[in-house]
Amino acid sequence: NAGVTQTPKFQVLKTGQSMTLQCAQDMNHEYMSWYRQDPGMGLRLIHYSVGAGITDQGEVPNGYNVSRSTTEDFPLRLLSAAPSQTSVYFCASSYARGISSGANVLTFGAGSRLTVL
Amino acid sequence: TQLLEQSPQFLSIQEGENLTVYCNSSSVFSSLQWYRQEPGEGPVLLVTVVTGGEVKKLKRLTFQFGDARKDSSLHITAAQPGDTGLYLCAGDSHGGSQGNLIFGKGTKLSVKP
Repeated sequence: NAGVTQTPKFQVLKTGQSMTLQCAQDMNHEYMSWYRQDPGMGLRLIHYSVGAGITDQGEVPNGYNVSRSTTEDFPLRLLSAAPSQTSVYFCASSYARGISSGANVLTFGAGSRLTVL
Repeated sequence: TQLLEQSPQFLSIQEGENLTVYCNSSSVFSSLQWYRQEPGEGPVLLVTVVTGGEVKKLKRLTFQFGDARKDSSLHITAAQPGDTGLYLCAGDSHGGSQGNLIFGKGTKLSVKP
């Protein structure tokens, strides 16, 4: 059981280049989300999805695009990389369970470390 | 914008000492979770608290959810070097309907032998 798989683990880009961070989960989770983690800033939500075909913006969506064509995959696209996007990116997934059944427990990938020069 | 204020940001203690990490907000959360993160890895869930006033214990770790569901604390008794890591509190303000959480900035704990 692989859980949440992120690729690549490390990437270096030049300013203006575009790329896609891949995220795949094999737990049949409805919810998926992308966070970025910067020193002293905690985890900040970029985009999230409550199901295939449905996406929405989080706290820091500018410069990023997402799509959810399947339940399993939730890629994050950087349209034109900027040094401010240097960060560690985490993909997470969870079951769609209401509060009466407990809470949404996030399963995280191992992260993708991106450096933009 | 909802915020979770986590304190302290850094904590360096000797093995055997006790410590408490706090997570405070002016907002009400339907649940609050604590995660632990090791370098180079993603956060891993320690515990979820749902009911105001709830207390949960996980070996030497005690978690409490405030009566008003706006704050939480993590207390570690007799800390060990294996407790070293980044501790994150995270709140759900959507009643589980969106699958995402608001995270505090984290507490970096170092336990020296």
